[in-house]
Amino acid sequence: DSGVTQTPKHLITATGQRVTLRCSPRSGDLSVYWYQQSLDQGLQFLIQYYNGEERAKGNILERFSAQQFPDLHSELNLSSLELGDSALYFCASSVAYRPDTEAFFGQGTRLTVV
Amino acid sequence: AQSVTQLGSHVSVSEGALVLLRCNYSSSVPPYLFWYVQYPNQGLQLLLKYTSAATLVKGINGFEAEFKKSETSFHLTKPSAHMSDAAEYFCAVSESTGNTPLVFGKGTRLSVIA
Repeated sequence: DSGVTQTPKHLITATGQRVTLRCSPRSGDLSVYWYQQSLDQGLQFLIQYYNGEERAKGNILERFSAQQFPDLHSELNLSSLELGDSALYFCASSVAYRPDTEAFFGQGTRLTVV
Repeated sequence: AQSVTQLGSHVSVSEGALVLLRCNYSSSVPPYLFWYVQYPNQGLQLLLKYTSAATLVKGINGFEAEFKKSETSFHLTKPSAHMSDAAEYFCAVSESTGNTPLVFGKGTRLSVIA
């Protein structure tokens, strides 16, 4: 158990809908990362937050947004969903945002868009 | 920008045989390098990391990797494969300067044959 909790574990929704994925980082970790894992693209970095502030942005679509709350949990909002958004979404956390810091991953949320 | 190439999307070895998973990286500044393992229906778990100390890095479960700057490689090895090593392995890079989150390779699936 990495200590990172993601909910829900599975989500099935229709095209055009909006969903929210939730992540609780390890106790004491201030940095949260979101990754998307798909068969064709592999693991793609989406966005990083540190202590409530956005630190880095990757290949995140405009239809997607995220935030980190004062209690350090994070939410990833996906809207106007398309079939191609079906993927495994991982949250990871680390104590700092330094590039040598180990990131601990949750078990992921599997999103299926039908 | 940094990138990672993992040679071979699928590697199959016999139990007790040498495991060699290949990773080459590209980075404009000295890199930090990581190997993560993903078991079925699990998140990613750190195996080992290189952060500019010793070039031969030992990790968990008997794995090790050697950083070779001249070859821009960070191959993962284990002398004797065990059935429990069957999983997906990801090489990742971050840059030692600036705030660059992990960039992952596409992964190598390791199968271990009895």
